[in-house]
Amino acid sequence: DTAVSQTPKYLVTQMGNDKSIKCEQNLGHDTMYWYKQDSKKFLKIMFSYNNKELIINETVPNRFSPKSPDKAHLNLHINSLELGDSAVYFCASSLAGGIIGELFFGEGSRLTVL
Amino acid sequence: GENVEQHPSTLSVQEGDSAVIKCTYSDSASNYFPWYKQELGKRPQLIIDIRSNVGEKKDQRIAVTLNKTAKHFSLHITETQPEDSAVYFCAAPFSGGYNKLIFGAGTRLAVHP
Repeated sequence: DTAVSQTPKYLVTQMGNDKSIKCEQNLGHDTMYWYKQDSKKFLKIMFSYNNKELIINETVPNRFSPKSPDKAHLNLHINSLELGDSAVYFCASSLAGGIIGELFFGEGSRLTVL
Repeated sequence: GENVEQHPSTLSVQEGDSAVIKCTYSDSASNYFPWYKQELGKRPQLIIDIRSNVGEKKDQRIAVTLNKTAKHFSLHITETQPEDSAVYFCAAPFSGGYNKLIFGAGTRLAVHP
């Protein structure tokens, strides 16, 4: 049983296209996140939702739009893709946003923009 | 500002030696300090964490120490093995209590047989 699962694992697309990455967790956690890991391995938080409510919204271009239909799902939609968007995007979840604790990461979605 | 500095960026040791990775943080309100290990092509996974009410925590060959006054914490790996080779990230939470973890830049550890 995969605790945090992301699809797709790999995504290759052209500049200007729109793409989505989906994430689901079966841990019963309240909080979910999107992190971006660039080519230098730097992990940077993008968004966080606690029970479907947006609680963290970092300085991210508004081409990136997260959506959380329920607390077990957090999707990321990216419009007008640019070369600099190429990265590995990790979804993660944790027990509750107000209780700092372990992040459980998905396997990552490697996005390559050509 | 929100900042976690981690060093060294790369570390190469012989099997059996010890490895130490250090991090400093800027937010004095931070009270939780995890370490994550990321093997090549894999997801980051928590290996050990410490809360601000203790100064040291051990789990077999790994230990973390915390100095809240100086705002730094360290990961210690003893008797290193080739399977310890990975990128290690420290992290600290910032701003408002939500689980907003800011990660250090990572340390690539290579353990040579």
